[in-house]
Order: sequence, then structure tokens, then C-alpha cells
Amino acid sequence: QKEVEQNSGPLSVPEGAIASLNCTYSDRGSQSFFWYRQYSGKSPELIMFIYSNGDKEDGRFTAQLNKASQYVSLLIRDSQPSDSATYLCAVNARGADGLTFGKGTHLIIQP
Amino acid sequence: KAGVTQTPRYLIKTRGQQVTLSCSPISGHRSVSWYQQTPGQGLQFLFEYFSETQRNKGNFPGRFSGRQFSNSRSEMNVSTLELGDSALYLCASSLESNYGYTFGSGTRLTVV
Repeated sequence: QKEVEQNSGPLSVPEGAIASLNCTYSDRGSQSFFWYRQYSGKSPELIMFIYSNGDKEDGRFTAQLNKASQYVSLLIRDSQPSDSATYLCAVNARGADGLTFGKGTHLIIQP
Repeated sequence: KAGVTQTPRYLIKTRGQQVTLSCSPISGHRSVSWYQQTPGQGLQFLFEYFSETQRNKGNFPGRFSGRQFSNSRSEMNVSTLELGDSALYLCASSLESNYGYTFGSGTRLTVV
């Protein structure tokens, strides 16, 4: 059974600081990794995806992947109150398997 | 560029009835997948279609079915509704599975 684990939070971070969100997955065959942001009452919005070990940066966001340790993380630099949301980690084991989602981490950025 | 469109936005049905939900993907996207989101279970994969073929199915009973048309529009059907089927049903589309999915606004289904 494929599992994706996230700390549910809430994770409280002061405005301007770095928010660090973590995710572990069970299926070593996983190939694609995604971070989604979901505001309350809204649908998930894709922030980043990463396929290879290492870091991938996009603006204030950095995704980190370590396949040997089976974890993926998301760093948000210069956190803003508008970053307050639930962050969902999703993993795609193979091209046609659909995404397996974690239950999300609730992030609160304190002004 | 239009996003993923789901209709209807809200639906109230009675136990035992059936329901059909519709999804129009982003133009050019051939992969359409469906997810169920509930507070307790989170987002769970239902099935994925690519060029009218179901490529994979999640761990849901046979009451849940779907199809995709030649224009990539997709429908999902739930028969013999149960109270536990109350959830937000999300459709997502992608060029290919590994490029990430764009979600629609969802259909909120309430079974009474």
C-alpha cells in the first residue's frame, strides 16, 4: 500500500521567516513528486514538481528530494500571511497510477 | 486560457439514487483524473483516463465509474449512493501524468 505521510500541523511560522514542510513516502518506485497548496474552501493548486534528487527552486519556493531517504520537502522563504494554507504532498509511482496524496500540513504565517 | 471546468458545483441527492458529474479539461490536455476529498480520508484517487481509455483505478467500489469522450471531456457516475459518498469530487487534467495536474473547482456532493 502506497503511503504518503505529512505532519498535519498546524505549523506556525512568523512572517518573513522560512517555512519548512516535510513529506515521506513508502513506495520506492515513486518517480514524480508534487506540492499543492489548498486554501480553505478551494481546490488544490500546483506549486512545484520535482523528479530528480536535489533541489529545485522557483521564486520563494524550493523543493528538495532525497530518494534514498524517501522524503521530499518544501521550503518557503520570506513567508507571507497569504502563504497560510494547507500544503499537500503528492507522489506518482508510475505514469498511470494517479497521485497518492498526504493529508496535508496546515501552515499558519503569523504577521 | 480556460481552466478545468466541473459541473455542477453543488449537488444534493438521496441515498440509493445515482449521480453523474462532468469535467471539461484544459484545452489540449488528454489526461483526466478524478479524486474524492473528505475531511477524514483526504484526497483519494478514483480513476484516470487518457485518450478515452481508463489507465488506472483507485480502491473504490464498482459503484464508482467514469468515462472519457473523444473531446477529452469526462464524466464520473456514482450509483446507489450512500451517506459516505458525501464529499468534494475533484477533476484534474494534465498533458501527461508526470507534468502535474490542474484541478477544477470541484463538485460538492451531499447525500441525505
